[in-house]
Amino acid sequence: GQQLNQSPQSMFIQEGEDVSMNCTSSSIFNTWLWYKQEPGEGPVLLIALYKAGELTSNGRLTAQFGITRKDSFLNISASIPSDVGIYFCAGQEIQGAQKLVFGQGTRLTINP
Amino acid sequence: GAVVSQHPSRVICKSGTSVKIECRSLDFQATTMFWYRQFPKKSLMLMATSNEGSKATYEQGVEKDKFLINHASLTLSTLTVTSAHPEDSSFYICSARAGRGLARPSTDTQYFGPGTRLTVL
Repeated sequence: GQQLNQSPQSMFIQEGEDVSMNCTSSSIFNTWLWYKQEPGEGPVLLIALYKAGELTSNGRLTAQFGITRKDSFLNISASIPSDVGIYFCAGQEIQGAQKLVFGQGTRLTINP
Repeated sequence: GAVVSQHPSRVICKSGTSVKIECRSLDFQATTMFWYRQFPKKSLMLMATSNEGSKATYEQGVEKDKFLINHASLTLSTLTVTSAHPEDSSFYICSARAGRGLARPSTDTQYFGPGTRLTVL
């Protein structure tokens, strides 16, 4: 099935560093979502983006919805140990059941 | 707000038995619920979409007789893995999408349950 291209697949950083990850798609989406998943848990919604060009922040997290509606990025500033986890982007289909199409995930590891 | 629960969180069963997993939206009505399967270190794979009061729509390659889905109310959907085998062992996650009438980000956004770890011996 369709899948978003998310990169990088993994990141190993030092505590306090900034993080950037992005997703691209060949299809247009009206909504982009960023989720975080910790081991043994379900994904938790971090940021939802609804308009092309929209830039939204949630604490140290900032995400933008690309102008073409085919891409999005997520930045995390001043990383802390609890930021560890897997981050997924998801595009919400426009038609029908508005299913989510997920990226492959970015696994974030932080060295204290 | 927008809390989704799953029960059980973990289940271990013998091969050949059936297992039922419940997904509940606790503080909102979910017109649509989704069932996903996730393998270790992989992304979520959509299995089926269920709408309250109607039959579920399964993704290509997902056996509807194997994975029975019932969405009997606006707050409850169940997934039954019938005649489970070791290859069915996985992490199953549901999500619920709020119906209209709620302010964003609640409306149209999928909120996920905590997942159910199924191990079939």
